[in-house]
Amino acid sequence: EVQLVESGGGLVQPGGSLRLSCSASGFTFSSYAMHWVRQAPGKGLEYVSAISSNGGSTYYADSVKGRFTISRDNSKNTLYLQMSSLRAEDTAVYYCVKEAYYYDSSGYYYYMDVWGKGTTVTVSS
Amino acid sequence: QSVLTQPPSVSGAPGQRVTISCTGSSSNIGAGYDVHWYQQLPGTAPKLLIYGNSNRPSGVPDRFSGSKSGTSASLAITGLQAEDEADYYCQSYDSSLSALVVFGGGTKLTVL
Repeated sequence: EVQLVESGGGLVQPGGSLRLSCSASGFTFSSYAMHWVRQAPGKGLEYVSAISSNGGSTYYADSVKGRFTISRDNSKNTLYLQMSSLRAEDTAVYYCVKEAYYYDSSGYYYYMDVWGKGTTVTVSS
Repeated sequence: QSVLTQPPSVSGAPGQRVTISCTGSSSNIGAGYDVHWYQQLPGTAPKLLIYGNSNRPSGVPDRFSGSKSGTSASLAITGLQAEDEADYYCQSYDSSLSALVVFGGGTKLTVL
């Protein structure tokens, strides 16, 4: 069974830093791109970041670019999100998400198939 | 303001059919990017419901179906059941965004 378990959330002061981890099991972690998606209290889903299967390519939403860094350790089946210069608006549940793909005659297509249960980050003084 | 527009809420009685729209533009859905749908039951993480516009993962009932046309997509739920009460999100890609991935604002489905 594919499982994603996030950890590392907590209460942090504005301007502080936090590192989230996502432990993956049940699939060949090194073969799949991974994502972080967050959800502020009572709000909708907001895309945060992605990393390719080998870690060579990363993508960030404009709202976190320059402050967050996504990385992965394929030997440990673990995804990370290093968050710095945190703001109140970063308060959210952070979900780790696995990417999947399908293909047809036109090529490969990607989507997010498995979500972790999330870890809560609260930025407040 | 989300790049993909969904109605904030829809409702229906048990057994009825409801649809949830997801309206985009020429830089996302209209550019040919796939639309995916996620269901989020109260207090839980989102779950993949439809991928590639109209494909259901194994385990998702065939009461759920998706379609896409032009700059919009739709999720249809037939034979509405109480356990379908949840938030539903569409997701696609937008060539004008650095991270490419974009979500709709979400739709709260209430089963009357």
